[in-house]
Amino acid sequence: DTAVSQTPKYLVTQMGNDKSIKCEQNLGHDTMYWYKQDSKKFLKIMFSYNNKELIINETVPNRFSPKSPDKAHLNLHINSLELGDSAVYFCASSPSAGTGNTIYFGEGSWLTVV
Amino acid sequence: DAKTTQPTSMDCAEGRAANLPCNHSTISGNEYVYWYRQIHSQGPQYIIHGLKNNETNEMASLIITEDRKSSTLILPHATLRDTAVYYCMTAGNYKLTFGKGTLLTVNP
Repeated sequence: DTAVSQTPKYLVTQMGNDKSIKCEQNLGHDTMYWYKQDSKKFLKIMFSYNNKELIINETVPNRFSPKSPDKAHLNLHINSLELGDSAVYFCASSPSAGTGNTIYFGEGSWLTVV
Repeated sequence: DAKTTQPTSMDCAEGRAANLPCNHSTISGNEYVYWYRQIHSQGPQYIIHGLKNNETNEMASLIITEDRKSSTLILPHATLRDTAVYYCMTAGNYKLTFGKGTLLTVNP
């Protein structure tokens, strides 16, 4: 069983559309994250939720809206998609938000905006 | 979070030990040293982390200097499948900040 799973794996969409990426973890973790890896391969944190509460928002445009219906799920909704949103989006989770925790990543969702 | 410095790339012969260095001279007392790797087109994979003491698991060993200003990740018997970008990071909380990492190429 995949510990952190994301869907869809690949997504091609037009500018201006609204799309969502879903993430689920079956590890029983309290904390979940969204990271973005751009064309230059830099991985940057976008959001983090702990027990469904937002704890990190790294000045991401408000077109990006994460939603955590329960602590096993953290979905990413993106409104009015722009060309610059093309990237790989990684969901991740950790046991808690404390120090020394291990963060486990999903396999990524490749978003291409045309 | 402290900044880390890693070589851009390294080569290693298959079956030999791969020693990947990392400098983190501004690390704070409560920050852990983390190592992840990313194989092409896959999600980052956790390798190992430590605070002060050396650590070993089934994947690798982590050697942290006594002053904690640098560390070395050791893959004892590198295989072709270990070719990846290796990221060294320090974190005092739940937030990992990825740098450029080291591209390790394991050669036959």
